Amino acid sequence: QVQLVQSGAEVKKPGASVKVSCKVSGYTLTELSMHWVRQAPGKGLEWMGGFDPEDGETIYAQKFQGRVTMTEDTSTDTAYMELSSLRSEDTAVYYCAPFDSSGYYFDYWGQGTLVTVSS
Amino acid sequence: DIQMTQSPSSLSASVGDRVTITCRASQSISSYLNWYQQKPGKAPKLLIYAASSLQSGVPSRFSGSGSGTDFTLTISSLQPEDFATYYCQQSYSTLPITFGQGTRLEIK
Repeated sequence: QVQLVQSGAEVKKPGASVKVSCKVSGYTLTELSMHWVRQAPGKGLEWMGGFDPEDGETIYAQKFQGRVTMTEDTSTDTAYMELSSLRSEDTAVYYCAPFDSSGYYFDYWGQGTLVTVSS
Repeated sequence: DIQMTQSPSSLSASVGDRVTITCRASQSISSYLNWYQQKPGKAPKLLIYAASSLQSGVPSRFSGSGSGTDFTLTISSLQPEDFATYYCQQSYSTLPITFGQGTRLEIK
């Protein structure tokens, strides 16, 4: 059973950066392909990117290219998502979710981290 | 990008009703289609994967069908705890992974 615990809510000013963490337990991070999905208030789910085990690289949605960086610290089994040049439209709940590479689905999710961008 | 379109966007139904939600892909995605349930303030929960396989622990009143471009999620007899928002998601193409816009299921 995978457990994912994310960092707490953040309030940032436009132009700043935010780094959200996702601590894994029950598995090691190297056994998972961690992805990130966000959800703006009252809106749907939006995939941001994640680790592709087929080529060993992190892939990002084109919308976030150049602004997002997803990293992992395997010594602490913690994944990170950093989003820069924040704007009000980035106000959302950010979820980490391992992508099951055999079934091609997200069967575990973090509890979500609310990032509010406001001046 | 593969676009996923759900219908309806919202739906009112009563406890005990049979409900069907449709998801259409902009191109064939074989059976790489998953369904999630999301309740307010909570993370999504996987219900159905590979179009028709029931995730462990999910009640059997939930079922999925379809392949290619057209898919359905059916709830055979609505229970009070089923009132939520439902999302489809394709994983045929992982760049990008895309979700439907969601279907909000409300109590009539």
